[in-house]
Amino acid sequence: EVHLVESGGGFVQPGGSLRLSCAASGFTFNTYGMNWVRQAPGKGLEWVSEISSTGSTIYYADSAKGRFTISRDNAKNSLYLQMNSLRDEDTALYFCARELTAAGFDYWGRGTLVTVSS
Amino acid sequence: QSALTQPASVSGSPGQSITISCTGTSNDVGAYNSVSWYQQRPGQAPKLTIYDVSNRPSGVSARFSGSRSGNTASLTISGVQAEDEADYYCSSYTRINTRVFGGGTKLTVL
Repeated sequence: EVHLVESGGGFVQPGGSLRLSCAASGFTFNTYGMNWVRQAPGKGLEWVSEISSTGSTIYYADSAKGRFTISRDNAKNSLYLQMNSLRDEDTALYFCARELTAAGFDYWGRGTLVTVSS
Repeated sequence: QSALTQPASVSGSPGQSITISCTGTSNDVGAYNSVSWYQQRPGQAPKLTIYDVSNRPSGVSARFSGSRSGNTASLTISGVQAEDEADYYCSSYTRINTRVFGGGTKLTVL
């Protein structure tokens, strides 16, 4: 059974940093692209970033470009999101999601909450 | 990248059919066969309901169907049931290799 478990969220002040992790199991991790999607409290979904199966291709939303870095360790079946220069508007539940097709994410974790506040 | 446009809410009585629209541009919805729909119940992660415009993942009820005309995609639920009450989001791949979601539609079953 496919499982995605996010961790690393927490409370951070504006300008601070956090590193999110997503532990994957139940499938051949190194054959799937992976994504981060976030959801601010009471708001809709926002795509953040994608990394290809090998890590060679990476894309970011404009809101993440220059501040966030996505990476993966296929030997550890893990996905990461390094978030720097955090802002109040980055407060959200961050989900990792497996990519079935270009815009079709077939498995999601339960999310890890990031709160940015002074 | 602007969010795709969805109605904020739709409603229907049990057994009725409802349709949720998702309007984008020729740079996203109208560009590729890469439109997906997600169902999200309160406190849960999104669930893939339709992918590649009209394909249903295994385990999703045949009451859910998707289509697209030009820059507008649609999700139709035939014979809506109480269990379908949830938020629904569309998503599309874009010409600049990003993804974009719609603002979400709250479905109320009367």
